[in-house]
Amino acid sequence: SQKIEQNSEALNIQEGKTATLTCNYTNYSPAYLQWYRQDPGRGPVFLLLIRENEKEKRKERLKVTFDTTLKQSLFHITASQPADSATYLCALHRDDKIIFGKGTRLHILP
Amino acid sequence: ETGVTQTPRHLVMGMTNKKSLKCEQHLGHNAMYWYKQSAKKPLELMFVYNFKEQTENNSVPSRFSPECPNSSHLFLHLHTLQPEDSALYLCASSRSPGTSEENEQFFGPGTRLTVL
Repeated sequence: SQKIEQNSEALNIQEGKTATLTCNYTNYSPAYLQWYRQDPGRGPVFLLLIRENEKEKRKERLKVTFDTTLKQSLFHITASQPADSATYLCALHRDDKIIFGKGTRLHILP
Repeated sequence: ETGVTQTPRHLVMGMTNKKSLKCEQHLGHNAMYWYKQSAKKPLELMFVYNFKEQTENNSVPSRFSPECPNSSHLFLHLHTLQPEDSALYLCASSRSPGTSEENEQFFGPGTRLTVL
């Protein structure tokens, strides 16, 4: 069956360092992958999209990589700030199918 | 209002009650979605509507009944729910589902449902 794993339930990173979150998948061939941010009591907010034929995408302090051979996406936040603390979700898309990971709770420690 | 709105934000109901969740999008999108988010579990896609037509039903029990009267409004009718149905129910919209590469989902704030 199709499966997505996000590296850990929670991740603590010191302010100013780079936070790296992992999204691994099996038994799936996504056309593209998205990363979302979710704050407590709110719906997810779209951050970045990367297509199957792209290796890397950047947006301000965010960087996403996509390795279809390893079936893995990495999500990086550089120069992390306490305001970056949230849960981050990856989502895989192909045709009408959308599959979300459980998310990783990121805590940026001041 | 802008974006995607959901009402009510919180709902407590008994197993014999009938209630409805409402979602409205002000983005001019053609596709709308219902998701269920339970603690410790991934976001689960329940229903997809494209141009008011249901295109996806991920084996959702019949005690959940969606309705999409137009492309701006989406309802989820609830009846004879079980305690395990307690969760955050999220509505989302997008320009269209399918292979659109820029199919960003815009989520509402969700309805926190508790079934007693």
